[in-house]
Amino acid sequence: GAGVSQSPSNKVTEKGKDVELRCDPISGHTALYWYRQSLGQGLEFLIYFQGNSAPDKSGLPSDRFSAERTGGSVSTLTIQRTQQEDSAVYLCASSLVRTVDTDTQYFGPGTRLTVL
Amino acid sequence: LAKTTQPISMDSYEGQEVNITCSHNNIATNDYITWYQQFPSQGPRFIIQGYKTKVTNEVASLFIPADRKSSTLSLPRVSLSDTAVYYCLAASGGSYIPTFGRGTSLIVHP
Repeated sequence: GAGVSQSPSNKVTEKGKDVELRCDPISGHTALYWYRQSLGQGLEFLIYFQGNSAPDKSGLPSDRFSAERTGGSVSTLTIQRTQQEDSAVYLCASSLVRTVDTDTQYFGPGTRLTVL
Repeated sequence: LAKTTQPISMDSYEGQEVNITCSHNNIATNDYITWYQQFPSQGPRFIIQGYKTKVTNEVASLFIPADRKSSTLSLPRVSLSDTAVYYCLAASGGSYIPTFGRGTSLIVHP
């Protein structure tokens, strides 16, 4: 079946512009995560959606970052007034939340954002 | 959420067995241990998961001692294509914030 897809795969923008990154999770997965990965670094958690619950936004680095998930499926991560330090790969993952064991996350290929 | 500690990097040669150990001293009763693999320019992918003792699949084995304060990912007879970053997570399902850390960068040499 189809995995997690993300678009665009690459995005180059100018400092100060807004960008939107899209994630299509695996059908039926109730949990959706956004991460940021800078060059040579680990994954930095940004935001977590679970079903109809309020998202956990504790990882968002500033109020320029926001995300929404429409209809419990597609999610959009928006970065306003982009800065050069926002340059990174943005990864999306989805999972079927189970109560017994931990959620296995399925990752998309990521969007490489470059802010000039 | 249990904090995990793993070596930053490891080197090996083709055909050797590689063991990567992860420490999770404050692991909770409900936590499972999961390992992910990430190739350059790709998102991480699930390798193996376990709760205790030993788990084996077609890719790797996972050894977890009785106290569960550590776990060891074992890759048999590595090849060049096993060069990747390996992440260890210890967490339980439901509401948790996953912490991947920097992982272990494994380089397999010819």
